[in-house]
Amino acid sequence: SYVLTQPPSVSVAPGKTARITCGGNSIGSESVHWYQQKPGQAPVLVIYYDSDRPSGIPERFSGSNSGNTATLTISRVEAGDEAGYYCQVWHSSGDHVFGGGTKLTVL
Amino acid sequence: QVQLVQSGAAVKKPGASVKVSCKVSGYTFSIYAIHWVRQAPGQRLEWMGWINTDNDHTKYSQKFQGRVTITRDTSASTAYMELSSLRSEDTAVYYCARGPSFDSWGQGTLVTVSS
Repeated sequence: SYVLTQPPSVSVAPGKTARITCGGNSIGSESVHWYQQKPGQAPVLVIYYDSDRPSGIPERFSGSNSGNTATLTISRVEAGDEAGYYCQVWHSSGDHVFGGGTKLTVL
Repeated sequence: QVQLVQSGAAVKKPGASVKVSCKVSGYTFSIYAIHWVRQAPGQRLEWMGWINTDNDHTKYSQKFQGRVTITRDTSASTAYMELSSLRSEDTAVYYCARGPSFDSWGQGTLVTVSS
């Protein structure tokens, strides 16, 4: 089965840039979605189809995908961005796969 | 606005079944698929399966094949997820989400499996 690998945690100071990676075999040939999840809440879509932003999501959130790594980039990080972040793909096998999640800590 | 509202929390005994509902509003039910995702305490999101709300086609994760059944009632704009032969490891929050990019989610339903 297809596996997506994320770092368990990323720490960043306010105002700096956070980059969260999602590794998978030839993930660049898949479409990647990213979700933000705060404690006790349902996930929220922040990036879809690699780099598109839903309405209401700040421009500070961006995504890229190439080769074996997809990346979620959060610019000018704010305290309110502290959350868990999950990548997800709809693999060619027909299954939807989530990464293990990354906890973003704002220092 | 788009809303997915799920049924309330449930406590079940091992071996029992649970059925969770997901009622949608704010859009035409049959245009978008409904997916089911669960999250055990402190664990990652885990995809269970989905239903094409137009033609009733379903696909399940191999992990849950044989134990999960996803159905829909178009007249009620509601999708259902039934999980059988429950065990303690099935204790989790169960979510429905709108496909294909999971752009809207239900609030989650806590299912506790305990003797």
